Amino acid sequence: DTGVSQDPRHKITKRGQNVTFRCDPISEHNRLYWYRQTLGQGPEFLTYFQNEAQLEKSRLLSDRFSAERPKGSFSTLEIQRTEQGDSAMYLCASSLAAINRVTGELFFGEGSRLTVL
Amino acid sequence: GQQLNQSPQSMFIQEGEDVSMNCTSSSIFNTWLWYKQDPGEGPVLLIALYKAGELTSNGRLTAQFGITRKDSFLNISASIPSDVGIYFCAGQLRTYKYIFGTGTRLKVLA
Repeated sequence: DTGVSQDPRHKITKRGQNVTFRCDPISEHNRLYWYRQTLGQGPEFLTYFQNEAQLEKSRLLSDRFSAERPKGSFSTLEIQRTEQGDSAMYLCASSLAAINRVTGELFFGEGSRLTVL
Repeated sequence: GQQLNQSPQSMFIQEGEDVSMNCTSSSIFNTWLWYKQDPGEGPVLLIALYKAGELTSNGRLTAQFGITRKDSFLNISASIPSDVGIYFCAGQLRTYKYIFGTGTRLKVLA
């Protein structure tokens, strides 16, 4: 399977604990996005990377949230001191940006569902 | 967070009927995407649109990129039970950020 891969698929944690999610994008894709989705809502933008550079962060991404993409391949999203309001599905997506090529397609992984007790 | 206006919010239809939904915004987009999402899964890309006025089909699905670049439409013809799910639109800004709609929940009655 060469699609976007996310791990873990499900995470249950106690309030105050730290959690980390990993995303492996489609291999040739240089852009990687993180979104958060709560029940009944559309995905909300958190941040995105082009290669290893983090180009934009949403105001939703508080200082307890940090995302990295150290070698321009996989990415991690860490949430420190989790709160019950952090319970959501965290979605990763990737796309290919290339000069002289129409590449607006964005492909999602299956998501990592976080439950904070 | 910022989300696009998508309508209708939900709809029940009979199997075999055609379905229409749309997405509107005050922002101009370079690309429009349409997705289907099943419970507990990630969104699956259905159609991508790149030019104002463009009409693109994928099987029973047809989508259009609005002339003003601020809206898009998705039609599903001859619906079947497996069309059940939530449909999202997404617009790509010049900054390459994608903004999603609020979703249309489709239920098909056999």
